[in-house]
Amino acid sequence: EAQVTQNPRYLITVTGKKLTVTCSQNMNHEYMSWYRQDPGLGLRQIYYSMNVEVTDKGDVPEGYKVSRKEKRNFPLILESPSPNQTSLYFCASSFWGGSDEQYFGPGTRLTVT
Amino acid sequence: KQEVTQIPAALSVPEGENLVLNCSFTDSAIYNLQWFRQDPGKGLTSLLLIQSSQREQTSGRLNASLDKSSGRSTLYIAASQPGDSATYLCAVEAAGNKLTFGGGTRVLVKP
Repeated sequence: EAQVTQNPRYLITVTGKKLTVTCSQNMNHEYMSWYRQDPGLGLRQIYYSMNVEVTDKGDVPEGYKVSRKEKRNFPLILESPSPNQTSLYFCASSFWGGSDEQYFGPGTRLTVT
Repeated sequence: KQEVTQIPAALSVPEGENLVLNCSFTDSAIYNLQWFRQDPGKGLTSLLLIQSSQREQTSGRLNASLDKSSGRSTLYIAASQPGDSATYLCAVEAAGNKLTFGGGTRVLVKP
């Protein structure tokens, strides 16, 4: 089944404790991206990647890192999480980029205390 | 900076009525516009993708129109069903493979 998977689905952590949210797709997509969704602010793009080893900032990259060492994986790294990063995070992928149909993962709900 | 607005934020209709959802964007220099559906606790599902050169796209009971010059798109859902209850989001792609999303319209279809 074609899908985008994220792990973990739920995470509660404390300020400053490094964490990684994994994202994997099995559709051989070139393009992958990360979003956060907050009430009243909607979905905002954090980072995106056009291909392996190619990443670029979205609208809200501060406090986040990403890497794209393999085509199928695009982990989101929070080196020192803070409470303002409490949010619902989505990973998405598509064949070529923003012009293609986007496939979203199920989301990761992160709470930073 | 591109801004995408969806009004109303919430909509409730009786089953069988047609749904009309609006999306407006401030910068008409877009490559495409997509409509998504989001169910509670789940990710987004792409419904329709309209390229900037197109005026509309149709899929089953769904029809989306695009008027780039006026910065508007409309999603029509014919003969609504309770299963259509969800939040509907639109997103535009401008330069650089970046998508900008609207805040969504939460739809409730009452049986």
